[in-house]
Amino acid sequence: GQNIDQPTEMTATEGAIVQINCTYQTSGFNGLFWYQQHAGEAPTFLSYNVLDGLEEKGRFSSFLSRSKGYSYLLLKELQMKDSASYLCAFMDSNYQLIWGAGTKLIIKP
Amino acid sequence: GAVVSQHPSRVICKSGTSVKIECRSLDFQATTMFWYRQFPKKSLMLMATSNEGSKATYEQGVEKDKFLINHASLTLSTLTVTSAHPEDSSFYICSARGMTGDTEAFFGQGTRLTVV
Repeated sequence: GQNIDQPTEMTATEGAIVQINCTYQTSGFNGLFWYQQHAGEAPTFLSYNVLDGLEEKGRFSSFLSRSKGYSYLLLKELQMKDSASYLCAFMDSNYQLIWGAGTKLIIKP
Repeated sequence: GAVVSQHPSRVICKSGTSVKIECRSLDFQATTMFWYRQFPKKSLMLMATSNEGSKATYEQGVEKDKFLINHASLTLSTLTVTSAHPEDSSFYICSARGMTGDTEAFFGQGTRLTVV
């Protein structure tokens, strides 16, 4: 079967670093995505990993370990505007996205 | 990145009426479009997948006759909520993907439907 899991909510402090984890199980895998979604808005693309390792893009980095079925999104130098939900999703063998429930990130001053 | 335009962004309709939501890929040909529904504080729920020129594939539990999806061209897909009820009030989001095997799907802005 397929499943994907991420924490429901996390809290962090402005200026700090936070890591949002995502674990998944699937027989067919074509990459893992991270999206950011502010309340009332559509998701916006953050990152895509298909090979193991760390991809860095400015303040955001994403890591993937296919053997462990594990990914994380790392956010550095947190800003208040980073308060949002972060959705991880993997693409299965049919190129369908299977979504996690999202992690609500709360940034405190 | 590619642009997907979804219209309208907000709509309020009376119970029993039908509402059409459009999803257009503006600068690429979308062979596949996905329609999602999102409840407050919940993740995206895939409703159906539509491929240009063929019937949409609906997820289990989604009523085909209630949520009519048409993907008549490579740049346009529509979702019609028929005989809307208050429980259909939700945030509907489309996403579009180019050729099969393309990794990224691009999202429309979403439509907030309120049925009164």
